Amino acid sequence: QVQLVQSGAEVKKPGSSVKVSCKASGGTFNRYAFSWVRQAPGQGLEWMGGIIPIIGSANYTQKFQGRVTITADESTGTAYMELSSLRSEDTAVYYCADHYGDYSLWGRGTLVTVSS
Amino acid sequence: DIQMTQSPSAMSASVGDRVTITCRASQGISNYLVWFQQKPGKVPKRLIFAASSLQFGVPSRFSGSGSGTEFTLTISSLQPEDFATYYCLQHNSYPPTFGRGTKVEIK
Repeated sequence: QVQLVQSGAEVKKPGSSVKVSCKASGGTFNRYAFSWVRQAPGQGLEWMGGIIPIIGSANYTQKFQGRVTITADESTGTAYMELSSLRSEDTAVYYCADHYGDYSLWGRGTLVTVSS
Repeated sequence: DIQMTQSPSAMSASVGDRVTITCRASQGISNYLVWFQQKPGKVPKRLIFAASSLQFGVPSRFSGSGSGTEFTLTISSLQPEDFATYYCLQHNSYPPTFGRGTKVEIK
C-alpha cells in the first residue's frame, strides 16, 4: 500500500530551523510530486511549496520564499521541507501530500512547536 | 495568486439536510479543483477531484460541480459523520490555493 510516512513531532526554539521528512513507501518515487501544506492550530490549510523529484526544482509560495527549502532524495525515496528562522507563528502541523495524484495521498502530519 | 473565496465560512444543519458549499476563484481555473473533508485532528480527506469526480469510496451523497470560476460541493442528505470542515483547493496554477474552509456543525 502506498503511503507517505512523515517524521515525528519537533519542538524548536525561536530563530532555529526544522527539517521534516516525508518518505514515500511503495510505488515509484519519481511518480510522486510532493507538496507541503501547513495548518496552524484552529486555522485552515496553507500550501507552502512543492517539488517534482524527476524535475528537481522546487516552487514556493511568496510568503515562505527565502525561509523554506524543499528537496527530494531519490536514493532514499524521501522528500524534505526545511523551515528556518522559526517564530511562534510557525507552530503548526506540517503535511506532505502527493500533488501528482491531485492530492489523493497525504502524510499523517508532523507537529512542529516553536517555543522558547 | 488566485484567490479562492469559499462560502459560507460556517453553517448549522440537521441530519438529512441538503448542504451546498461554494468556492469562487478570482480567475478561471478550468476544472482544477479539489474538495476535502477534514475532521478535528485528522488528515484532510479528498472527496472530489477535477471539480466533479467522486473519490473512490466516498459516498454518492457527495457531489461536485462547476468549471471556470464557480464551484459547488453538495451533500444531498447530511449524515452524522459528515459534520466536519470542508476545503476547496485550486491547482490550476502556482501557487495552489485553498479556500478558507466551511465548518458544518450540528443544528
